[in-house]
Amino acid sequence: DAGITQSPRHKVTETGTPVTLRCHQTENHRYMYWYRQDPGHGLRLIHYSYGVKDTDKGEVSDGYSVSRSKTEDFLLTLESATSSQTSVYFCAISETNRQNYGYTFGSGTRLTVV
Amino acid sequence: SQQGEEDPQALSIQEGENATMNCSYKTSINNLQWYRQNSGRGLVHLILIRSNEREKHSGRLRVTLDTSKKSSSLLITASRAADTASYFCATDGVQGGSEKLVFGKGMKLTVNP
Repeated sequence: DAGITQSPRHKVTETGTPVTLRCHQTENHRYMYWYRQDPGHGLRLIHYSYGVKDTDKGEVSDGYSVSRSKTEDFLLTLESATSSQTSVYFCAISETNRQNYGYTFGSGTRLTVV
Repeated sequence: SQQGEEDPQALSIQEGENATMNCSYKTSINNLQWYRQNSGRGLVHLILIRSNEREKHSGRLRVTLDTSKKSSSLLITASRAADTASYFCATDGVQGGSEKLVFGKGMKLTVNP
């Protein structure tokens, strides 16, 4: 999707290893979000950021950490990957004025923990 | 926990027919949004309706919002095979400090040619 890219697109990792997913935006949007999508659960918020170095937890934050050292990058780290973290991860961005604009989503990262 | 819940969970129609999807939510909102997701892709924003609006149109899409019933509907008119996708409603709540959308589980629309 224009203005937001996620990397890698696919990853297979072993249980217990750390994994970092990257979200990069060129829109200079203030807000950035990490969601996971699982069958039967829809999208659930993991963490979000409302500015450089400003982050907060979402609904399913256990086992995940994030960092935002510059406006354009939002990193999601699985500190010690578990099979329950096998999922599709989506990054999203939004304007400062959230009342009038929707989110723009990346194409997702499919993570498999074996 | 999910705020919005789409109904039905799956809908199959013929090309040219209208498709109606419903969303119910639990708490007060600033706005409600609808998204589409094609298989294997990210979500795409379709339309946003604010809490003080009752109806909104965008091309073949018509969204209504009834805040007294805490419900919204998305109507796709004259459906096409390309409309086959999953559709999600999402709510932007009014809770203090809330800065995030909460998504429903989604519903799958199949439009048969």
